[in-house]
This record gives sequence, structure tokens and C-alpha cells, in this order.
Amino acid sequence: DAKTTQPPSMDCAEGRAANLPCNHSTISGNEYVYWYRQIHSQGPQYIIHGLKNNETNEMASLIITEDRKSSTLILPHATLRDTAVYYCIALSFQGGSEKLVFGKGTKLTVNP
Amino acid sequence: ETGVTQSPTHLIKTRGQQVTLRCSSQSGHNTVSWYQQALGQGPQFIFQYYREEENGRGNFPPRFSGLQFPNYSSELNVNALELDDSALYLCASSLGLGRSQETQYFGPGTRLLVL
Repeated sequence: DAKTTQPPSMDCAEGRAANLPCNHSTISGNEYVYWYRQIHSQGPQYIIHGLKNNETNEMASLIITEDRKSSTLILPHATLRDTAVYYCIALSFQGGSEKLVFGKGTKLTVNP
Repeated sequence: ETGVTQSPTHLIKTRGQQVTLRCSSQSGHNTVSWYQQALGQGPQFIFQYYREEENGRGNFPPRFSGLQFPNYSSELNVNALELDDSALYLCASSLGLGRSQETQYFGPGTRLLVL
């Protein structure tokens, strides 16, 4: 699985958009980009995933560059409850065990 | 809520003891993965079970073992506990069709402290 690189921490004002970047320059054609977040000492929460196209759901939007070497997770209107560690993961599905390889993620702090 | 449950929520053991952690997968999911998360680190993959068979293992010694039952619930067993085994143990369930994207949904975890 491709290695991903994220900034260790970011701050965002409540009500503003939070844009979390992720570099995955060695991603291969069949690897998906997954985003999870983990609020203090809870289990990771699935947010969104994508392969090539931009994706949007009720939680967030995922923008993947055309060359697929980087992506951005967008939380359109951040709230205090969005304070968490956000993990970007490149994951391939090859019929074997599909393990998630977590890095250290980005600690997002949403300020009032 | 993901529908994935784990028990117990917290556990204290001493070095050398054995521990069993339990996970109930989301309804309809046949794959369970286990992860260990040390303080300040991201989760590390331990192993995965698909339809009662081990389907991949991370870099963990044999004293970490598991089981999956016909109802797809799962157990993680750790023998000869060491201080470094203190961590949050997470299970995640997915509908493991193997050839398509299958999202893993995590439970709340079991916090293990080894003294």
C-alpha cells in the first residue's frame, strides 16, 4: 500500500471549512483513498473514500487531484465536535486481506 | 453508531496472564479485523478473519491469536501478557467480498492495561 503524508496538526475556526491535505505520490491505479477520524480514545470513524472522482457525502467532500498524487478532505462547516485525529489511508483491494495502514494522521482542532 | 460492539470496555491484567477480547460484527458482515493502538500512535493491523479463517496477519507474535465463530463474531486472545501489550484494541467489521471496495467499520475498542 502507498505511503501517505499528512501535516501533524491544523487549526480551524468553528463554522469555517476545514481543508485537510494528504500526499500519496506513490499511489497505484487500484488503490483507493480512505479517510477516517478518531475522536479521543474512541474507535476510528469512517468518513469517505474515493478512487479517481471527487466524492461527497453527508459528512465531507473528498477532492482527488487528476494525477491522484494528493487529495483534500473538506469539512464544509466545522463544528467543535469535528475536533479529532484525521487519517488518510491508501488501500488496495486484491482479494486478500485488506488491512488499513494508519500513519499518525492530522490532529484537527476546531476553535470557537 | 456502527453496530460493532466490543467487550469488555476496560481490562487490567498482570504480566504473564492471558486475556480474551470479544467483538460482535455489524449485521451481515462476515469479515473481522483486529488492530492494536498504542498511546499516541495510529492503529496497527494484527490479523483479519474471513468466514472463520485467518485471512492475513500483521507483524505480531504467535501469542496473539484469534477465532471467528459461525455467527461471525470474533475473539482476540493474547497469551503471556507483556507490559507493551497495554493498548486500545480495536475490531472492525466489513462485508468481505474480496474483489470490491469494502469499508471497515470500527467498534469502540477495549482498553487493556498490563501491570
